[in-house]
Amino acid sequence: DIVMTQAPLSVSVTPGESASISCRSSKSLLHSNGITYVYWYLQKPGKSPQLLIYRMSNLASGVPDRFSGSGSETDFTLKISRVEAEDVGIYYCGQLLENPNTFGAGTKLELK
Amino acid sequence: EVKLVESGGGLVQPGRSLKLSCAASGFSFNDYWMGWVRQAPGKGLEWIGEINQDSSTINYTPSLKDKFTISRDNAQNTLYLQMSKLGSEDTAIYYCARYNSGFDYWGQGVMVTVSS
Repeated sequence: DIVMTQAPLSVSVTPGESASISCRSSKSLLHSNGITYVYWYLQKPGKSPQLLIYRMSNLASGVPDRFSGSGSETDFTLKISRVEAEDVGIYYCGQLLENPNTFGAGTKLELK
Repeated sequence: EVKLVESGGGLVQPGRSLKLSCAASGFSFNDYWMGWVRQAPGKGLEWIGEINQDSSTINYTPSLKDKFTISRDNAQNTLYLQMSKLGSEDTAIYYCARYNSGFDYWGQGVMVTVSS
């Protein structure tokens, strides 16, 4: 199975500042079709996860452009600029390149 | 509006079976792959498996392949998860989700508690 390793486990951010979350995969997520199959989700407290970023760098529908995704074949970053109170929750990276699909352990974002 | 609504959860004794349903609305259900993801209390997300549009392809995470069965009824716009030989390790919130460049829509989740 592809292992997704996130860092840090938690991050505390002052509203208005930026935050970055890292994710590393145990295998390249770059398919021969040129698509990198890494995804980012946010699970707000008491809610279901929601898709933020698909295929490494594409913003999902309705997601503010304060969120952005980038990376290489095995190292990925979710950046949140101008953090707001509504961004609090647990962020998960995930891969859809191979079955079983796997997720990182999550990064908890809190406000200072 | 896309909606996914899970049902069928609850308290079940170890070793017993349970079948979850996920009612879909607001989109053409038979055009999409669908999947199940679970989350144990206080833990992260675990992918259970997926099913394609006409049920000809069904994939599972290996550790659950012999216990869980995913199916769908396109006429009823419903996704199912049949769970058997349940143990305490299966206690979790179970989510159904639609595949569309990632899981773009999730249900609210249904709690399954395995306990005597």
